[in-house]
Amino acid sequence: DGGITQSPKYLFRKEGQNVTLSCEQNLNHDAMYWYRQDPGQGLRLIYYSQIVNDFQKGDIAEGYSVSREKKESFPLTVTSAQKNPTAFYLCASSIGGRNIQYFGAGTRLSVL
Amino acid sequence: GENVEQHPSTLSVQEGDSAVIKCTYSDSASNYFPWYKQELGKGPQLIIDIRSNVGEKKDQRIAVTLNKTAKHFSLHITETQPEDSAVYFCAASLGGTSYGKLTFGQGTILTVHP
Repeated sequence: DGGITQSPKYLFRKEGQNVTLSCEQNLNHDAMYWYRQDPGQGLRLIYYSQIVNDFQKGDIAEGYSVSREKKESFPLTVTSAQKNPTAFYLCASSIGGRNIQYFGAGTRLSVL
Repeated sequence: GENVEQHPSTLSVQEGDSAVIKCTYSDSASNYFPWYKQELGKGPQLIIDIRSNVGEKKDQRIAVTLNKTAKHFSLHITETQPEDSAVYFCAASLGGTSYGKLTFGQGTILTVHP
């Protein structure tokens, strides 16, 4: 089954702690994206990567970091610098050079 | 950068009625406009999309129209069914170096009453 897998489904963060959200795809897509979704709001772009070992900041990158060491993986770290991390995080991927983005099922992050 | 406004924020219809959701965008260079459906606790799924060289596109009960001059596009769902109840998002994308980067509207909660 081809698709995008996000884990964990639920995640809790303590004050001052960094947490990492996993995103893996087996669609052989070149581009991957991370979005944040808050209640009643649209999706906001955190980071995106068009190719391996390269990524760009989106609209709300502060307090987050990413890496893209493998084509199929694009983990997102929510650092302690992100003061309001509670949200639903969505990972997406697309074929390089095309716009259609396919989404994972999301990770819900809460603060303890 | 691009800005996308979506209306209404909530929409309630009776089963069998039509539903229309409208979006406006700010950057005339945007050339790709997808619509996503998100069910509770799940990721968005693409339901239909349109590119700027086309004015209308249909797929069974769903259609999207694009007015480039006015910079707005709309989603039309006919013969609505309870399973159409979800949050719908529009989005717009620029070409060039921003290729693949989507800007989303705020979402519309559609409720279809049996």
